[in-house]
Amino acid sequence: LAKTTQPISMDSYEGQEVNITCSHNNIATNDYITWYQQFPSQGPRFIIQGYKTKVTNEVASLFIPADRKSSTLSLPRVSLSDTAVYYCLVGGAGTTGGGNKLTFGTGTQLKVEL
Amino acid sequence: GAVVSQHPSRVICKSGTSVKIECRSLDFQATTMFWYRQFPKQSLMLMATSNEGSKATYEQGVEKDKFLINHASLTLSTLTVTSAHPEDSSFYICSARHTGELFFGEGSRLTVL
Repeated sequence: LAKTTQPISMDSYEGQEVNITCSHNNIATNDYITWYQQFPSQGPRFIIQGYKTKVTNEVASLFIPADRKSSTLSLPRVSLSDTAVYYCLVGGAGTTGGGNKLTFGTGTQLKVEL
Repeated sequence: GAVVSQHPSRVICKSGTSVKIECRSLDFQATTMFWYRQFPKQSLMLMATSNEGSKATYEQGVEKDKFLINHASLTLSTLTVTSAHPEDSSFYICSARHTGELFFGEGSRLTVL
């Protein structure tokens, strides 16, 4: 399983764009990159998933360079409610079921202030 | 979207007793579910993979006799913490995959006195 490295914490202000980068040098060919958000005392919530290039949904964008050894989660115009821990995970082919387990790294504690 | 639900959300028990936590996939069938444990200010640690109709697969260092996992149906997996001790106090989270996405339960906070 590919190991991930993220900054432990980041601080931002409301309305700013936040970019969280994750390193995954040992990513395998069939690994997807998935980001989750976790609030205290809650289970993680899916944010976005990608394999290469760029993926965008209603809440975030995910940028993946050609070598796929890193990825960047971009949160546009954050608000106080975006204060949470963000986890980058790699592994488990995105469209298959079965036992593809995902291992969590340390995550990034994002703190958004006024 | 798909929902994974856990019960109870909070449980307090005395040392030496056993506690059962349920994980249900509410609108999809899950042949595989995953159980995680999370201590305060730490990341989620995968404990075991629950397989419907067969034995669970435990991660290294996780005592299978202490953390009993049963996956008797396609929508229910249970984790039983046997002979609980204060050091077992933690946040337990289950998850299941549906259409490529991993959905997590709300978590169950166990406090052992």
